[in-house]
Amino acid sequence: DIVMTQTPSSQAVSAGEKVTMSCKSSQSLLYNENKKNYLAWYQQKPGQSPKLLIYWASTRESGVPDRFIGSGSGTDFTLTISSVQAEDLAVYYCQQYYNFPLTFGSGTKLEIK
Amino acid sequence: QVTLKESGPGILQPSQTLSLTCTFSGFSLSTYGMGVGWIRQPSGKGLEWLANIWWDDDKYYNPSLKNRLTISKDTSNNQAFLKITNVDTADTATYYCARRQGAFDYWGQGVMVTVSS
Repeated sequence: DIVMTQTPSSQAVSAGEKVTMSCKSSQSLLYNENKKNYLAWYQQKPGQSPKLLIYWASTRESGVPDRFIGSGSGTDFTLTISSVQAEDLAVYYCQQYYNFPLTFGSGTKLEIK
Repeated sequence: QVTLKESGPGILQPSQTLSLTCTFSGFSLSTYGMGVGWIRQPSGKGLEWLANIWWDDDKYYNPSLKNRLTISKDTSNNQAFLKITNVDTADTATYYCARRQGAFDYWGQGVMVTVSS
């Protein structure tokens, strides 16, 4: 199974600040035939279902604000929120869909100071 | 507009079989490349993928649940199903179904399931 490791487990930032969170996979998620990284980021706000933010490691889902930026390749990935807003309070999960079983990271909880 | 909604028994006893239904609209599970997955989340914890079914009826399961899972679909009625046999308290969670073409792009609201004697 591919193990997804997210750090930090939680962080607190002030509105307007930039935040980065990391996701590392135990094996490469880069499929050489199409040069795509099979990595997604989800946002789960309190009491809500997860919402897809980023897929193919860096493609923003339709309607997602451009302050959410996915980057990385291979085994190391980053989600950046360029200017955190109060509504970004949530847990952020990464997930690999390179192969089965699909696996999620344990999440990064973002708190707003 | 894509929507998914899960339904289930709410509460059941240990050793029983959990039957979940995902009723969806806005897409068809007979469309090439389309899939539906089941994911669960114990209260206050992370996400665990359970099973996936594709448009061609190909199925994949989380091996950590061994042979307890069965996923199926009814394309005509836009539904997907998940059965979990021999449940115990560790199966208490919110269960989600989600559409999958690569990542999970649309999720249901989730259904809470409690296993208790």
